[in-house]
This record gives sequence, C-alpha cells and structure tokens, in this order.
Amino acid sequence: KNQVEQSPQSLIILEGKNCTLQCNYTVSPFSNLRWYKQDTGRGPVSLTIMTFSENTKSNGRYTATLDADTKQSSLHITASQLSDSASYICVVSALGRGNKLTFGTGTQLKVEL
Amino acid sequence: DADVTQTPRNRITKTGKRIMLECSQTKGHDRMYWYRQDPGLGLRLIYYSFDVKDINKGEISDGYSVSRQAQAKFSLSLESAIPNQTALYFCATSGEGDYNEQFFGPGTRLTVL
Repeated sequence: KNQVEQSPQSLIILEGKNCTLQCNYTVSPFSNLRWYKQDTGRGPVSLTIMTFSENTKSNGRYTATLDADTKQSSLHITASQLSDSASYICVVSALGRGNKLTFGTGTQLKVEL
Repeated sequence: DADVTQTPRNRITKTGKRIMLECSQTKGHDRMYWYRQDPGLGLRLIYYSFDVKDINKGEISDGYSVSRQAQAKFSLSLESAIPNQTALYFCATSGEGDYNEQFFGPGTRLTVL
C-alpha cells in the first residue's frame, strides 16, 4: 500500500529561525514528490516538485531535497516568517496512475514572535 | 477571481438530507478531483474525472456520487448524509500527465448533525 509519513506532526519556532520538515514514502513506482503549503481555511498550494533525477529544488526561502534511494524528502525553511505558519504536506505521485496522489498528514508549523 | 471555486463554503445539515457541493474552474483543465480532509488524516480521493465522459471512483467513494456537467464544472453529492461525512471537502483540477500540479479550491466545510 502506498504511504507517506511526515514528521514532526507539529512544530513551533521563533520568527527568523530555520526548520526542517521530514517526509518518508513507500509509493511505487515513483513519479514525483511535491511539497504543498496549506494555510488555515484554504486549499493546499504547491511549493516545489521533484522528479526521480532531482535531489534539490528551491523556491525562495523553501528548499526541498529528495533521496530516491532511501525514499526520503525534506523541506527546509530559512529565516522563518509569521506567514510561514501553516500545514506543510508531502504529496507523492506514482507513475501511470493518472496523477493520483498519496498525501501525508502534514506538519503543522507555527512561527511565533 | 479564483481559478477554482467551491460553493457553499460552509454547510450544516442533518442526517439523511441530500447535499450537493459544487466546483467550478477557469483553468481550462480536463481533469477534476474531489477529496475529503479529516483531522489527523491526509487528503483522500473520493472521485475523479479526466474529461466530461470519464468518471472514476477514488479510494473512499461509498456514500458519494458525482456529476461532470461540463469541462469546468464537477459536483459532489451526498445522497443521504451521515455524521461521519462531516469533513472538509476540496475540489482540485490539473492538466494531463503525472507531472501536472493539482490546483485546489478553497474547500467546503460540511457538518452533518
């Protein structure tokens, strides 16, 4: 069964600090991995996408890494801002499944002053 | 205007009532999806449609039905609502192919009493 597990479940950091969120997956055959940001009361929005051959991808202060051998990904947030407070969801797509996705349960990040 | 809209945004109903959630998109995508999100669980796929004539069940379709009225419109119905269908419902759209991002609507919060 395809699964995506994320850690930690929740995290509180001070504004300006960095943090790293983790994602482990068992989706096969692997197509791509996205990190989504979901603000409270809103739909998820894609931050990054990585395919099998990519091991890092940046989007501003967000940097995602992928190790396809160990089936692990991380999302690093640099110089956090209050607006980074959200749920971050790791989403993995399998090849040939018509863009059907397996979602992690998300890491709830809170950035405080 | 938002690319993916959902109506209503909030709905409270009683057990046994028929409910329809509507989704419209202006992105010109052929593929549309309905998901539900429950606390502590990842988003789960209810139904998906790759074009107007193509409707497919997702992993949790029991108790739900859908209608693809046009390329831009995809509605989700609960024929006889029950309390465990209380959840946040999201519509999403995407282009063809495994690498295309799914764009999510703002969600509908449904409460079944």
